[in-house]
Amino acid sequence: QSALTQPASVSGSPGQSITISCTGTNSDVGGYNHVSWFQQHPGKAPKLILYEVSHRPSGMSNRFSASKSGNTASLTISGLQAEDEADYYCISYTSSDSWVFGGGTKLTVL
Amino acid sequence: QVQLMQSGAEVKKPGASVKVSCKASGYPFTTHHMHWVRQVPGQGLEWMGIIKSRRGGTIYAEKFQGRVTMTRDTSTSTDYMELSRLRSEDTAIYYCARDFEWSLDTWGQGTLVTVSS
Repeated sequence: QSALTQPASVSGSPGQSITISCTGTNSDVGGYNHVSWFQQHPGKAPKLILYEVSHRPSGMSNRFSASKSGNTASLTISGLQAEDEADYYCISYTSSDSWVFGGGTKLTVL
Repeated sequence: QVQLMQSGAEVKKPGASVKVSCKASGYPFTTHHMHWVRQVPGQGLEWMGIIKSRRGGTIYAEKFQGRVTMTRDTSTSTDYMELSRLRSEDTAIYYCARDFEWSLDTWGQGTLVTVSS
């Protein structure tokens, strides 16, 4: 199972919005709504920020939103803040009854 | 609150095996599956497999089949991940993560496994 495709890096200024894409195939992202997004700060464990494409865990900021179209899922962070600077990963369930991560995207807040 | 507490760092020689534990608390242990994920230093997250909640059935990523074994001890609410025939490329942080709604909602703190001669 090949990793899902994410841009290696994105950047934005405080207050702006950014979008990170996550592209897979009909056998993973395109075939199921079981797509999640994680935020990981250096030296920390990943943190779930969205699941089932667009559901936010309890207490998660509504500045984080996501959607899916075809084989591509997208994470949008609005009102960028310095604390949003981190690595972001998508994951999808697959037709092999397994899960596959994206390669990760480093977000820089300018 | 839901917590996953993993065992401490390990140093192993090439060819050896390592067994990492993940003790769950704060929820009914048998109601959730458990994923295992690893992260080589400086690289991305890699899904290794899942152990199912009640009967302990397992699904392993193709890359690790034949080398990984995931087990569950319901009496102590602890899951285990054993990786055999270690090589230097297996040096990584290994995480357990609780399954929730086809996702991974709670993560352990991670266990660093270093493989070095």
